[in-house]
Amino acid sequence: QVKLLQSGAALVKPGDSVKMSCKASGYTFTDYIIHWVKQSHGKSLECIGYINPYSDITNYNENFKTKATLTVDKSSSTAFMEFSRLTSEDSTIYYCAREASFGVDYWGPGVMVTVSS
Amino acid sequence: NTVMTQSPTSMFTSVGDRVTMSCEASQNVGINVGWYQQKTGQSPKRLIYWASNRDTGVPDRFTGSGSGTDFTLTISNMQAEDPAIYYCLQHNSYPYTFGAGTKLELK
Repeated sequence: QVKLLQSGAALVKPGDSVKMSCKASGYTFTDYIIHWVKQSHGKSLECIGYINPYSDITNYNENFKTKATLTVDKSSSTAFMEFSRLTSEDSTIYYCAREASFGVDYWGPGVMVTVSS
Repeated sequence: NTVMTQSPTSMFTSVGDRVTMSCEASQNVGINVGWYQQKTGQSPKRLIYWASNRDTGVPDRFTGSGSGTDFTLTISNMQAEDPAIYYCLQHNSYPYTFGAGTKLELK
């Protein structure tokens, strides 16, 4: 079955970067786009960007263009998101999710990032 | 960006009730809309794709409808396991955008 396994919670200092991972299993990794989504406390969900694992082509929400960098490692079926210049506003949960031809279907369990000195 | 306006923000219901929630898109998104259920401490789970198609394993009490700019999710017979936040998502144009959510609670 399709699974997206995300890395564990991260505690980082303001101004630092964090790199989180999303390991896919149960399907052909290069056949489906991977999205990254931010869920702020008490707020809705916001798309950060996506990457096509086959072509490495990325597309970013303008709000995160200078903040997020998406990459993949095809050999391990893993997608990565690096989030830079972290502030307290970046302390929240981040999800990876898969997009099929009929929309975003499977989601990872989420990664909690805490930014604190 | 396409804004998805979801209503109501929250609602209280009883087991057995018929529940309807709406999502309005700021521009035509065709049928490129999904509905998601998120329970506390969990990631979103998709219930409906392409506006009106039920995902595998989703109970048939969940029904989606609409196209263009107006979309509806209906729960025909509210069950004790259905309290959650429900989100709509348009995937017609990037950035994909979510509604703010409808929080469904039991009385």
